[in-house]
Amino acid sequence: EAGVAQSPRYKIIEKRQSVAFWCNPISGHATLYWYQQILGQGPKLLIQFQNNGVVDDSQLPKDRFSAERLKGVDSTLKIQPAKLEDSAVYLCASSLLSTSYNEQFFGPGTRLTVL
Amino acid sequence: KQEVTQIPAALSVPEGENLVLNCSFTDSAIYNLQWFRQDPGKGLTSLLLIQSSQREQTSGRLNASLDKSSGRSTLYIAASQPGDSATYLCAATGGGADGLTFGKGTHLIIQP
Repeated sequence: EAGVAQSPRYKIIEKRQSVAFWCNPISGHATLYWYQQILGQGPKLLIQFQNNGVVDDSQLPKDRFSAERLKGVDSTLKIQPAKLEDSAVYLCASSLLSTSYNEQFFGPGTRLTVL
Repeated sequence: KQEVTQIPAALSVPEGENLVLNCSFTDSAIYNLQWFRQDPGKGLTSLLLIQSSQREQTSGRLNASLDKSSGRSTLYIAASQPGDSATYLCAATGGGADGLTFGKGTHLIIQP
């Protein structure tokens, strides 16, 4: 069974530029999550999708971050414009169902450096 | 709001020792708790998931326990090996949120 795929693996941009990350969850997984992991910290949930609908985006900085999950499969997370403090690893995870009893599986992450 | 704390932040032990990593959480209305391993520059690998109705889970040399009443979970690693060196993260759902709330992790080094 293929795991969660993410691209690109690394991205370096200047502040005020825009950037987009892509995630393909495990086949058949209805729920998709985006997490931000700053160096030395645990991951922080940014947004959760159930199929193509948003379940929780309470910690997403909506003035600069946006995410979509068209057709309930792949997802894209965008930052526009980027700030220095956005430097982090962006992790995508998926789970089979939306209930909290389900195990989440993580992708390898995208490491973003904002200069 | 759920908060998760992990102690110690770092641990270094000789190969072969048994060890315990600790995790505490503030909201006992937990749905499940997951332990992850993270190698440098890599994503998260799920080790064990304990549902709220369970007290422990075992996988190979790993055993995780859950005590909701005290808001604690422990990860026990038996007969540690150098390949166990990594950062171990504890994460809990529940507390009104469906996504995971993570601790900062325990950085583990097993000395050969």
